[in-house]
Amino acid sequence: KQEVTQIPAALSVPEGENLVLNCSFTDSAIYNLQWFRQDPGKGLTSLLLIQSSQREQTSGRLNASLDKSSGRSTLYIAASQPGDSATYLCAVRPLSDSWGKLQFGAGTQVVVTP
Amino acid sequence: DTAVSQTPKYLVTQMGNDKSIKCEQNLGHDTMYWYKQDSKKFLKIMFSYNNKELIINETVPNRFSPKSPDKAHLNLHINSLELGDSAVYFCASSHRGNEQFFGPGTRLTVL
Repeated sequence: KQEVTQIPAALSVPEGENLVLNCSFTDSAIYNLQWFRQDPGKGLTSLLLIQSSQREQTSGRLNASLDKSSGRSTLYIAASQPGDSATYLCAVRPLSDSWGKLQFGAGTQVVVTP
Repeated sequence: DTAVSQTPKYLVTQMGNDKSIKCEQNLGHDTMYWYKQDSKKFLKIMFSYNNKELIINETVPNRFSPKSPDKAHLNLHINSLELGDSAVYFCASSHRGNEQFFGPGTRLTVL
């Protein structure tokens, strides 16, 4: 059974520092991995989707890497801003799944202090 | 221009009542989902429909019944609500299980 873990559960950094968020999964047979952001009381916003054949994806200040063999993905956010404060979730789609049955980690709550 | 919308945003009701949540997407996707986020913020899939056909049905009490009248809409009906049903319910959509886009959520409180 696939298990997705995000450590740490919470993180506080001063503005300007780079953020490094970790996601690990126990079964390397994945179709893709998706990173989301959730603001308090709001829905999830898709940040990046990495297909299993890719090693990384980039969007603006965000960069996500994927190492399938070791069961890890890392989300880097460069030059953090207070507006980056949110909970970040990763989710994997198993290779055996045809329809997008995502399995989520519990998230990392990030606070960026001015 | 909202991509995935849900109504209502908040739902407060008494135990034993029946309630429905509605979801609509205008992304042209063929697959829609219901997720439940519990008090510990953990997200778990409940159901998924592809082109109006139920394709994912997790271990959920049969008091929960999804319905998809067309591929742009997915509703969730809950009978005989219990205290433990209190949670945030999210709708999402994708094209054939690829990148998923989520709605704003419906916070259900059962008193």
